[in-house]
Amino acid sequence: AQSVAQPEDQVNVAEGNPLTVKCTYSVSGNPYLFWYVQYPNRGLQFLLKYITGDNLVKGSYGFEAEFNKSQTSFHLKKPSALVSDSALYFCAVRDRSGNTPLVFGKGTRLSVIA
Amino acid sequence: DVKVTQSSRYLVKRTGEKVFLECVQDMDHENMFWYRQDPGLGLRLIYFSYDVKMKEKGDIPEGYSVSREKKERFSLILESASTNQTSMYLCASSWDRGVGSNQPQHFGDGTRLSIL
Repeated sequence: AQSVAQPEDQVNVAEGNPLTVKCTYSVSGNPYLFWYVQYPNRGLQFLLKYITGDNLVKGSYGFEAEFNKSQTSFHLKKPSALVSDSALYFCAVRDRSGNTPLVFGKGTRLSVIA
Repeated sequence: DVKVTQSSRYLVKRTGEKVFLECVQDMDHENMFWYRQDPGLGLRLIYFSYDVKMKEKGDIPEGYSVSREKKERFSLILESASTNQTSMYLCASSWDRGVGSNQPQHFGDGTRLSIL
């Protein structure tokens, strides 16, 4: 079975400071990992994904994520937060050896304070 | 750009009604998905389809059915709406055969459904 955990319901950060949104996963094989963002009254937008290769993945809007196999983590990061980054963030995982749909975390609400 | 269009942004229905939620994608994607989103519960998969006339149950299929008569359209049906089906419903699509791929899903803007 595959699962993903986002241990923080809410993350608050001051504008200009670095931000981290945490994600850990569990799969029986090797994972495909994704981050999505949801702005109010909108659907989810794809930010970035990890398939293989370099553990640091760069995505849209200046976000990046680091894959750590030993810690089974895929934390989302940004060096300098903007107020406009305030949104709901979802991590998702799929076991690459299976044929099952993505499994999403419960989401983390990021608030960037001016 | 991929566009996934859900027919209604807001919908209000009464208990016992049969409710249809429509979703259309314009990128010839094989896979389509229906989720519901509730606070504190994240996204839960209701049904998905990896080809025309094919459907698979997700995690919470009870009380729902789906229809995929054409590749671009995936409909979610609430057979007899109940108040506990009040939720945000999200449709998504993705490219290539088999749901176990590395292609991202593309989402519509959602339908906020209220059952009174």
